[in-house]
Amino acid sequence: NAGVTQTPKFQVLKTGQSMTLQCAQDMNHEYMSWYRQDPGMGLRLIHYSVGAGITDQGEVPNGYNVSRSTTEDFPLRLLSAAPSQTSVYFCASSSAGLGDYNEQFFGPGTRLTVL
Amino acid sequence: AQSVTQPDIHITVSEGASLELRCNYSYGATPYLFWYVQSPGQGLQLLLKYFSGDTLVQGIKGFEAEFKRSQSSFNLRKPSVHWSDAAEYFCAVGTHGQNFVFGPGTRLSVLP
Repeated sequence: NAGVTQTPKFQVLKTGQSMTLQCAQDMNHEYMSWYRQDPGMGLRLIHYSVGAGITDQGEVPNGYNVSRSTTEDFPLRLLSAAPSQTSVYFCASSSAGLGDYNEQFFGPGTRLTVL
Repeated sequence: AQSVTQPDIHITVSEGASLELRCNYSYGATPYLFWYVQSPGQGLQLLLKYFSGDTLVQGIKGFEAEFKRSQSSFNLRKPSVHWSDAAEYFCAVGTHGQNFVFGPGTRLSVLP
């Protein structure tokens, strides 16, 4: 199993450009989420999905879009990049258990710089 | 709203010394608590978790944590630190669904 994979590892964008951060998992997990990590702030939830076709907003969703067409993939789209979106982005997945909390498995991260 | 605080931004200990990293949470319901470790340039790895039962939980790499409801704390401990433990440590509380609220992290440096 590859676990949770993310591409690219590094990306530099100019303000206003768009891009998609890819995330895939091969553990058949229903639950997937995107976090951003900024110094001194820990990880903050951007969007999450409880299964294919179902997504919802997290704590900091503005400027980001997601979709979940398959169980395996959960891409994060930046429609018009801004310098405030410079961050490290982590994708995570877990097996959903109603009323239960399972370990979240994290990808290696994507380091994004917006100039 | 749920919140997690880690009072220590950076801790330095000597190799072989004991370690305690502090975590306090604010959450109205029964907390589900986690500690993750992040090595430089890496993703996050689960060290241990608490759902219910015994308030002292054992994790990987010789770490343990104690849940104290009266103090709203979930401190991480290790009796003897190794140089490879140098990393950033995050405490998190599980909220609705499978989402987490993370603390700001504590960076651990280990002196030889």
